[in-house]
Amino acid sequence: KQEVTQIPAALSVPEGENLVLNCSFTDSAIYNLQWFRQDPGKGLTSLLLIQSSQREQTSGRLNASLDKSSGRSTLYIAASQPGDSATYLCAGIAGGTSYGKLTFGQGTILTVHP
Amino acid sequence: DTEVTQTPKHLVMGMTNKKSLKCEQHMGHRAMYWYKQKAKKPPELMFVYSYEKLSINESVPSRFSPECPNSSLLNLHLHALQPEDSALYLCASSQFPRVAEAFFGQGTRLTVV
Repeated sequence: KQEVTQIPAALSVPEGENLVLNCSFTDSAIYNLQWFRQDPGKGLTSLLLIQSSQREQTSGRLNASLDKSSGRSTLYIAASQPGDSATYLCAGIAGGTSYGKLTFGQGTILTVHP
Repeated sequence: DTEVTQTPKHLVMGMTNKKSLKCEQHMGHRAMYWYKQKAKKPPELMFVYSYEKLSINESVPSRFSPECPNSSLLNLHLHALQPEDSALYLCASSQFPRVAEAFFGQGTRLTVV
C-alpha cells in the first residue's frame, strides 16, 4: 500500500525566502507524482506533474524534482510571496490495478508573512 | 480549458433526504474520480470511472452511489447519509489510459444534519 509523507507539516516564513517542501513515498512503482496547492475551503489547483521518466519540472518560481529510487520528491519555491500561503499537497499516481489513483500526503501548511 | 465544474457548491441535507452531486468536464478526459476530504485531512479516493465504467470502488458505503452517464458527466447520488459524512466532496478528471495530470473541481461542501 502506497504511503506518502510530507515534511514539514507547517512552515511560516518572511516574504522573499526560498523554500523547500519535502515529500516521500513508500512504493517506488508510482506512475507519476503531482504537486497541488489548496486554499482554505477550496478545491485543489495543480502546480506541477512529474512523469515517472522525468527527474524535474519547472513552472515560474516553482521547481519540483523526483527521485524514484530514494522515494522522494521536493518542491522548491523561489522568492516566496504572501500569495503563496496555502496548503501544499503531493500525490503519488498509481499504475497497475490501481491505475490513476492518487495517494496524498498530509500536506504542508505554508504561511508567508509580509 | 482545464476546468472541472461541480454543482452545487454547498449542500445541507437531512439524514432521510436524497440528493445528488454533479461534476462536468469538457477536456476529453476519459477518467473521472470522486474524492472525499474531511477538515484538515488530505483527500481520500472514493470511486474511479474509466471510459464510463466503474473501475475502482474504495469500499465506499452503499449510501453513496456513483453514476457516469457520459464521458463528460459524473454524478454522486446520496441517500440516508450520516452526520459523519459531512465533508468536502471533490471531483477530478484525467486523461486515460495514459495517466497524466489530474484536474480537480472546487468541490461541494456537504453538511448532513
